Formats: sequence, C-alpha cells, structure tokens
Amino acid sequence: GQQVMQIPQYQHVQEGEDFTTYCNSSTTLSNIQWYKQRPGGHPVFLIQLVKSGEVKKQKRLTFQFGEAKKNSSLHITATQTTDVGTYFCAGKRGSQGNLIFGKGTKLSVKP
Amino acid sequence: DSGVTQTPKHLITATGQRVTLRCSPRSGDLSVYWYQQSLDQGLQFLIQYYNGEERAKGNILERFSAQQFPDLHSELNLSSLELGDSALYFCASSVTGQGNNEQFFGPGTRLTVL
Repeated sequence: GQQVMQIPQYQHVQEGEDFTTYCNSSTTLSNIQWYKQRPGGHPVFLIQLVKSGEVKKQKRLTFQFGEAKKNSSLHITATQTTDVGTYFCAGKRGSQGNLIFGKGTKLSVKP
Repeated sequence: DSGVTQTPKHLITATGQRVTLRCSPRSGDLSVYWYQQSLDQGLQFLIQYYNGEERAKGNILERFSAQQFPDLHSELNLSSLELGDSALYFCASSVTGQGNNEQFFGPGTRLTVL
C-alpha cells in the first residue's frame, strides 16, 4: 500500500547545530503536512505544502516540497532545546483519501 | 489546547476485556480520525468518520469498531483486548474530511492491558 517513508528515525544534535528530516513517497502527493509531537504530548500541526517546489519558512524552520511532489524536508537552523520532539510528515495522494503519516524523526538536543 | 477532548486519559484493564474511548471534536469540525501510537512507533491510522458516516478505514482490527454520533462525538470500541493493544490512542478532528485541512489532535487516551 501507499507508504510515506521518513528518515532518519532518530537524530541527536548539539544545541546550535542544524537538523534536517526527510520524507519520501513512492507516489505523487497532492499535499504534505508536518506535525510536531513534544515528549508526552500530542501531535501539533506545523504547516501544509501544496505546490510543486514550494518553500515555506517559520522562523528557524524551513519546509520544502519537491518538484515532483514525492518528497519533502524540514530543516531547523541552530537547534534549541525547545525543538526537542518527534517530527512527523503526512502526505495525501489524490483528491480522495486520508493522510498517511510517516513514522517520524525523533530529535534530541543536547544543551 | 487543541479544542479536541478525549476521555479517559488513562485506562488500565485486563486481557479479554472491552473498553470504550470517547472523543469530542473541535467545535465546527465534522471529521474525526482515530490513531494508534505504540511505543516509539508512528501514528497508525485506524478509521475516519465524516458527519456521522465512515469515510476511510486504515489498519483497524476486526476487534475494534467506532462510530460517530449525531452530535459529532465519536467512540472507539476495543474488545477482546490483548497485551499488544496497549498504546496511546489519539483522536483528531478537522473541518472537512478531505485531507487538505490540518488535523487537531486530542491529548490521547493511554491504554494499558495487563
């Protein structure tokens, strides 16, 4: 079935280092969403990308949607301890159907 | 606070038992989703309802069932519970059911099966 693969599964960084998580689909996606789940919390929506090649920024976070709409990335510049958590991508194929979540990338930041 | 409420917060029960998890969506949201999250696992989509009707089905076991009521709250019923059903169960809601709106997640129900 349709899968959304996310790598890496875990990432440990020193505070101040950059961090990137990648999301890949075998099929073209109509849109992709990113969520963040803090330890002990619930997923919280960050952003949605719809257009081919779209790039969106939220302060230190940069989100990209690939030209072929099959991959996406989330890049965090100069990580802080508040960035700790699991980042999930979720893609949707076509006009129907539900979002398919990746397994997430768990980010830990060492102060 | 996402506006989505889930009860109970914690549930401890024994194998073979049956439990019901409850979810109230955000005001105005017509669609409700149920997810299962096991330790260090991603979000496994179980089922979606839109305005009272089943919209999509994911990896939901036959022992599990759900429904959405006229007031739009939803219940997830888990029966013949097994140890492996221990997990965090999230409910989420969105305005439409078409996957192009953000989903608002509730705080989750942590189920422990002993």
